[in-house]
Amino acid sequence: GESVGLHLPTLSVQEGDNSIINCAYSNSASDYFIWYKQESGKGPQFIIDIRSNMDKRQGQRVTVLLNKTVKHLSLQIAATQPGDSAVYFCAENTGGFKTIFGAGTRLFVKA
Amino acid sequence: DSGVTQTPKHLITATGQRVTLRCSPRSGDLSVYWYQQSLDQGLQFLIQYYNGEERAKGNILERFSAQQFPDLHSELNLSSLELGDSALYFCASSTPRYRDNGQQYFGPGTRLTVT
Repeated sequence: GESVGLHLPTLSVQEGDNSIINCAYSNSASDYFIWYKQESGKGPQFIIDIRSNMDKRQGQRVTVLLNKTVKHLSLQIAATQPGDSAVYFCAENTGGFKTIFGAGTRLFVKA
Repeated sequence: DSGVTQTPKHLITATGQRVTLRCSPRSGDLSVYWYQQSLDQGLQFLIQYYNGEERAKGNILERFSAQQFPDLHSELNLSSLELGDSALYFCASSTPRYRDNGQQYFGPGTRLTVT
């Protein structure tokens, strides 16, 4: 079936380094993508989104890249901080207002 | 604080029982979503309501049902509970746009433990 998945379930980075979290999607009809951050014991929180008519969008310390050719989405976090430690989910909006979440990647930031 | 509230925060019950989880969406949001998250797992979409009507359905078991009331709050009913139903249940809300659901705002979740 249609799904959104992640290449790496766990990512460990040194504080101050840049982090890249990847996500693959299979529905070529999806036209809206979102990254969420979930800290331990809390609900997911919106980070950044991107529409399919764009290939890059920047926020504060975060950048989302969309490659529609290979159906790939990535989240880049600049100068990773301990507070960035969390699980990151990508999500796609397919036709019919259905939102599908990926499996999640756990980011560990080493001090 | 996302503006989405969920009650109760914790719920412990026995197998075979029935429980009701409650969600109040963010002010102005018309859509409510329910998700199930098992330990260290992803978010499993259960169901979406828009302004009182069911809009989308995910992998929701027949033992589970939900509704959205005229004041837009929603309830998720889980019946004939099994041990495997133990999980975090999240509610989210958004105001869908022309072609997508938009950004979803998640509540703090209800942790259900079935013993």
